Amino acid sequence: AQTVTQSQPEMSVQEAETVTLSCTYDTSESDYYLFWYKQPPSRQMILVIRQEAYKQQNATENRFSVNFQKAAKSFSLKISDSQLGDAAMYFCAYRRLGNQFYFGTGTSLTVIP
Amino acid sequence: DAGVTQSPTHLIKTRGQQVTLRCSPKSGHDTVSWYQQALGQGPQFIFQYYEEEERQRGNFPDRFSGHQFPNYSSELNVNALLLGDSALYLCASSLFGTEKNIQYFGAGTRLSVL
Repeated sequence: AQTVTQSQPEMSVQEAETVTLSCTYDTSESDYYLFWYKQPPSRQMILVIRQEAYKQQNATENRFSVNFQKAAKSFSLKISDSQLGDAAMYFCAYRRLGNQFYFGTGTSLTVIP
Repeated sequence: DAGVTQSPTHLIKTRGQQVTLRCSPKSGHDTVSWYQQALGQGPQFIFQYYEEEERQRGNFPDRFSGHQFPNYSSELNVNALLLGDSALYLCASSLFGTEKNIQYFGAGTRLSVL
């Protein structure tokens, strides 16, 4: 079965600084998608960024970017110029073909003013 | 454009009871997936509905069942509630078969079993 591991239960970053959240996954498939979702205290999961496994180029969305290392099965999220509104739980997710998602256990990000 | 809506937001039940949670997908979406998120954990896939049929199922017992209606809305039913069923239940909708296939989540229903 596919597994997603987030080894950092908690992280903190100074406002305006950069932080990287780690994620590794285990799969035998070659075609899949990876996601980072943000879950603020309001509980609603919000998509942050998405990466297709067949694309070598790392995805970027404004201040958010990923470092996708397919051979190493690693998918880290970098948040630049951190803002107070970035404080939330961040979940890494893997989607196999057929739409079933597997989530990691999450990293709680604190942004220090 | 309404996003994914879930009702109720909170629910308290006692062991052995039955519960029904409801979900309306984002406009234009036809697929609904349900997840259970225990405290301090990531969401766990329960099952997915498309064309009013259960298409995929995670590792959950038969006490968990669902339904999808012709308007794509969905219900999650849990019978014979256990204390361990206390969790946040998330509904996610998507458009079946599209390459991007991004899931949009609702705010969830917090179920407490006493």
